Parts: sequence; C-alpha cells; structure tokens
Amino acid sequence: SQKIEQNSEALNIQEGKTATLTCNYTNYSPAYLQWYRQDPGRGPVFLLLIRENEKEKRKERLKVTFDTTLKQSLFHITASQPADSATYLCALLLSGGYNKLIFGAGTRLAVHP
Amino acid sequence: GAGVSQSPSNKVTEKGKDVELRCDPISGHTALYWYRQSLGQGLEFLIYFQGNSAPDKSGLPSDRFSAERTGGSVSTLTIQRTQQEDSAVYLCASSPQRGLAALSSYNEQFFGPGTRLTVL
Repeated sequence: SQKIEQNSEALNIQEGKTATLTCNYTNYSPAYLQWYRQDPGRGPVFLLLIRENEKEKRKERLKVTFDTTLKQSLFHITASQPADSATYLCALLLSGGYNKLIFGAGTRLAVHP
Repeated sequence: GAGVSQSPSNKVTEKGKDVELRCDPISGHTALYWYRQSLGQGLEFLIYFQGNSAPDKSGLPSDRFSAERTGGSVSTLTIQRTQQEDSAVYLCASSPQRGLAALSSYNEQFFGPGTRLTVL
C-alpha cells in the first residue's frame, strides 16, 4: 500500500542545535517533494520544494535532501530557535500530470531555550 | 496582500444537519483545493478545482460531501446530514498553478486558516 511516514513522536532539541526531520514513503513515484510548516490553529505554510532529480536544496537555515532510492527526504534546520517550534509536514506531488499533494501526518518540533 | 480566507472559523452543528464552508482563494489563483485534517492526522485530500476543468472529486469520502466553485473564484464545501466522524478542520488552499518550467515553488499551495467543524 502507499504510505508517507513521518515520526509521530515530537522532536525536542536544544536551541542552537540542528533539527533533523524524516519523511519516508513507499509505493509512490513523486515528481516533487515539499515541506510545509504548520502552527497550531493555522493552515500549513510552504517552505521548500525539491525535485526528483535534485539531491539537496537550501534556503537560509533550512536544508532538504531527497533520496529517491531510499525513498526518503530529510529536513534540517540549523541553529534552531524556539520560534522554529511547529509541526512540519512533508508532501509528495505525484508524477503523471496529477496536481494534488499527498501529505504526511507531520512531526512536531519543540526547540527549548 | 490578502491571503486565502475561510469562513466560518468555527462551526458547531448537530448530527444530521447540513453545513456549508466557504473559501475565498487568492485573486488570480486558478487552482483550489479542499483538505480535511483530523487531530494528529495528515491532510486528507478532498477535491481539486483547476480553471474551467471538471473538478477532481476523487477524495470526497461519501456522497454527502460536495463542492462548488463559482466563477472560478469562491468555493463552497457542503456536507449534508453531518455525522460525528465529519468533525475535523477543513482547510482550503489555492495555487497559481504555474507551468512545469521552472519556478522553484511550482505548485506551492497557499492555505487558509481552516474551519473547525464539530458535529455533536
């Protein structure tokens, strides 16, 4: 069956450390993978997109990797800050002309001062 | 600028009643999506509108759910004869739906704040 898996347990880290979140998928062939941030009571906000032929993408303190062999994406936040505390969702855009995103359940990140 | 807006922000209804949820997308965005998010769950795709094309209704969980998009802008999600399992946050998103050529934020979706539906 098709699945997107993100760690359901919250990730607790100390301010200044690097947070690493994992997104694994099975039985999908995504053209793109996106990461979104969601704060309580709000809709998700787009952060980064990485294409299937890209290995790594960076934006300020954020870095995303995409390994289509392992069927895994890693999302890193360097020099983490308490303001980075939120739930982070990965989403797959499937190849084949489809335009809908398939979302994971998200991982909650808590950055402690 | 104005983002995606949704109304109401909260809706409490009794089992068996019909509800209508409204979404105002970003002006000029041709694609509009409805999702449902239950507590601790990912976003569940419901329906997708793109321009004047027939909508992709493949995610609607039952025939009690329907949606319209009038004039390529505002959309209404209707749930008839609500059940307790319909309780969730209903999120709307819009997208400019640029071509594949290139932009790093291809198919970036802009989400509204959601409508929290509670069916008693």
